[in-house]
Amino acid sequence: EVQLVESGGGLVQPGRSLRLSCTASGFTFGYYAMSWVRQAPGKGLEWVGFIRSRAFGGTTEYAASVQGRFTISRDDSKSIAYLEMNSLTTDDTAVYYCTRVNPALPGYSYGYTAYWGQGALVTVSS
Amino acid sequence: QLVLTQSPSASASLGASVKLTCTLSSEHSTYAIAWHQQQPKKGPRFLMKLTSDGSHIKGDGIPDRFSGSSSGTERYLTISSLQSEDDADYYCQTWDSTIHIFGGGTKLTVL
Repeated sequence: EVQLVESGGGLVQPGRSLRLSCTASGFTFGYYAMSWVRQAPGKGLEWVGFIRSRAFGGTTEYAASVQGRFTISRDDSKSIAYLEMNSLTTDDTAVYYCTRVNPALPGYSYGYTAYWGQGALVTVSS
Repeated sequence: QLVLTQSPSASASLGASVKLTCTLSSEHSTYAIAWHQQQPKKGPRFLMKLTSDGSHIKGDGIPDRFSGSSSGTERYLTISSLQSEDDADYYCQTWDSTIHIFGGGTKLTVL
């Protein structure tokens, strides 16, 4: 059974940093791209970014709203994906979901969200 | 620009069927999408990947009541024999090599 468990959420002051972790199990973590999606209170889903598998260089892509402030990384030996968030503002307050990305077609480095974690709440407030 | 458009709300009666629509921007008619369900106070769940020819791959344990179809830039999610637990928000998602996009979501009310 695929499981994704986020951790590291909490209350943080504006301008500070926070790192979320996503611990995966039930599949070969290193084979898949991983993404982060967030949902502000009462709002819809917003894609944050994704990281390709090491086979495709482990490169990353980000939404314009977080580009330059957020960094996604991965440790395949531990089956963990990370979301490092810097220069946080109140607009970053949201539940952050880790997702597994299935390839759009066999051999593709990118694709669609096929599994979701339960989410981690990040509240940015003074 | 890659855009997904969804109606904000829909409603249907218990036991009936409903068809939700997700519309791609006009120049992206060949793109596949994914449908996700989010029940109240819960995280999202992947329902299916749906291609432009209407073929779909469902997520784990998704019942046969959920099906997908396509026409031009429109991607549909049909839910038959509506049950109370289908009362939820439904989001479509699409992607290319450097970006993911979510639609604004449709809130389905089961009457």
